[in-house]
Amino acid sequence: DAMVIQNPRYQVTQFGKPVTLSCSQTLNHNVMYWYQQKSSQAPKLLFHYYDKDFNNEADTPDNFQSRRPNTSFCFLDIRSPGLGDAAMYLCATSGDRAGANVLTFGAGSRLTVL
Amino acid sequence: GQNIDQPTEMTATEGAIVQINCTYQTSGFNGLFWYQQHAGEAPTFLSYNVLDGLEEKGRFSSFLSRSKGYSYLLLKELQMKDSASYLCAVKDSNYQLIWGAGTKLIIKP
Repeated sequence: DAMVIQNPRYQVTQFGKPVTLSCSQTLNHNVMYWYQQKSSQAPKLLFHYYDKDFNNEADTPDNFQSRRPNTSFCFLDIRSPGLGDAAMYLCATSGDRAGANVLTFGAGSRLTVL
Repeated sequence: GQNIDQPTEMTATEGAIVQINCTYQTSGFNGLFWYQQHAGEAPTFLSYNVLDGLEEKGRFSSFLSRSKGYSYLLLKELQMKDSASYLCAVKDSNYQLIWGAGTKLIIKP
């Protein structure tokens, strides 16, 4: 089945120790998104790629970086995680940004910072 | 600013009907989505409305009134597995998705 796969599902890191989360998709979708979601809160968009075009949200901290080496893969790098970065990180894809294009989410990567 | 409002939590009884409301104020409108999110899992798509009226899909229906900036999700014949958070999201004029914080639905036997 075509899907969005995130690894790892659970990541524990120490304060300040870099972390990389990965996302792969077999849907051949143009758009890939990274969201941060904390308990009982709305998903917060960090950035998205429209094909190779990178779009950073204005309030995304510099501590968060992303790479999309090809259509299928996208990575989220957290350079120096702080306690406030503990959250679920959701990768999503869509065929396009406009209209009825539905987001398909991966299962998420839950980050714990000690 | 842009805003989506939903009740924080609702409780309903197995077999009953529940309506989850969503009001929005956004810069433009390019459709409204409802997603279901079980605890600790990713959101999954439920429905999409871009025109006024009711969209029915099995036990779930979604209604939209663009003039009132209002939508609701109607769940019929509630089952225990419907216990989840329900997220309302609106696509604005720049095709950005604005998300509500979600409504946690608790189903009691």
